[in-house]
Amino acid sequence: AQKVTQAQTEISVVEKEDVTLDCVYETRDTTYYLFWYKQPPSGELVFLIRRNSFDEQNEISGRYSWNFQKSTSSFNFTITASQVVDSAVYFCALRLTQGGSEKLVFGKGMKLTVNP
Amino acid sequence: EAQVTQNPRYLITVTGKKLTVTCSQNMNHEYMSWYRQDPGLGLRQIYYSMNVEVTDKGDVPEGYKVSRKEKRNFPLILESPSPNQTSLYFCASSLHRSPGAPLHFGNGTRLTVT
Repeated sequence: AQKVTQAQTEISVVEKEDVTLDCVYETRDTTYYLFWYKQPPSGELVFLIRRNSFDEQNEISGRYSWNFQKSTSSFNFTITASQVVDSAVYFCALRLTQGGSEKLVFGKGMKLTVNP
Repeated sequence: EAQVTQNPRYLITVTGKKLTVTCSQNMNHEYMSWYRQDPGLGLRQIYYSMNVEVTDKGDVPEGYKVSRKEKRNFPLILESPSPNQTSLYFCASSLHRSPGAPLHFGNGTRLTVT
């Protein structure tokens, strides 16, 4: 079965702190894609990053960085020097292609609050 | 502007009164999908469509219907809504030919069934 686990449900930090959001996934497929989405208080879902199962390179984009490790089935997301605007719910997701059909499985989300 | 448009944004209805939430995308995407978001449960897939006239159940399809008669539209139909369908609904689309392509989401429809 495919599953995405975001063990942390809610984190509160003070501005400028670094924070890491954990994501652990389960799948037997060898080809899959992992995503992070952000949902700010306004409610829309914003795409942040994608990784495929063959690309274990970590990525840094400004204050955001992602650590993908197949050995531990994890795809963690770190915000460096957090800002109030980072306050949002963050979702990790797993997308599979199985026999011509496609499924996208989301974790339950992690609410980040960055206090000034 | 490339977008996924859902209507309405807010809907309050009563148990048993049929309703339709519309979803339209202007990006010529083949793949479209509906999700519901509930506190503590994250987003769960209701139905998805790989192309015109091709639809399949997601994880929570009970009580919902969909149709895909045109590529751009993917309406969600609740034939007899019940209070447990009170939720925030999102429509999304992406290029099927690129399974790694990110989903583009609509702005959501908040449905309340009394």
